[in-house]
Amino acid sequence: DAGITQSPRHKVTETGTPVTLRCHQTENHRYMYWYRQDPGHGLRLIHYSYGVKDTDKGEVSDGYSVSRSKTEDFLLTLESATSSQTSVYFCAISESIFGGSPSTDTQYFGPGTRLTVL
Amino acid sequence: LAKTTQPISMDSYEGQEVNITCSHNNIATNDYITWYQQFPSQGPRFIIQGYKTKVTNEVASLFIPADRKSSTLSLPRVSLSDTAVYYCLVGGGGNKLTFGTGTQLKVEL
Repeated sequence: DAGITQSPRHKVTETGTPVTLRCHQTENHRYMYWYRQDPGHGLRLIHYSYGVKDTDKGEVSDGYSVSRSKTEDFLLTLESATSSQTSVYFCAISESIFGGSPSTDTQYFGPGTRLTVL
Repeated sequence: LAKTTQPISMDSYEGQEVNITCSHNNIATNDYITWYQQFPSQGPRFIIQGYKTKVTNEVASLFIPADRKSSTLSLPRVSLSDTAVYYCLVGGGGNKLTFGTGTQLKVEL
């Protein structure tokens, strides 16, 4: 399995509090992604990064920010958590842009973080 | 971005071959077809990828007809451990791939 870890693995927090999730990779892959997964929606892309300090929005980026100060770490921050952000969050990595050219690139996923916002 | 349609769920029994078909009518010339597998409480895992005709690896086979408007993931002799959600993705050429809701495969004894 690819060297991807996520921390924490589980977190319960209250509405209005800030939350930061961490993704750490040992593969030196250029691209990193944050997804959320909810019943009935599959996986939805929140933000992604194409290099240190280079990030872009995905389809559900509202309420989330990201930072990448080192190749190996990609942080996802909920500035003021809401109950609608209760979800399972997955980090993923790839060597080239997922779905780009060459299209044969694949993503490798971390174990996930289960976040509950009360 | 090519949209995919696949069955929401499928049931099978151990030892049977399972075929999951995905429709992607507006697939582009540069698009590849990729399948991922996801077990409960885990992230998705790459299974197989193809462009046309047939691709086979140690886990599955992928059949793609000449018009490439659909594809079929074939799992030979499934076991209980193949119970998972299977995602069909189509894309490439600079577009980010998106995951749909997938097909929930349930394998029983």
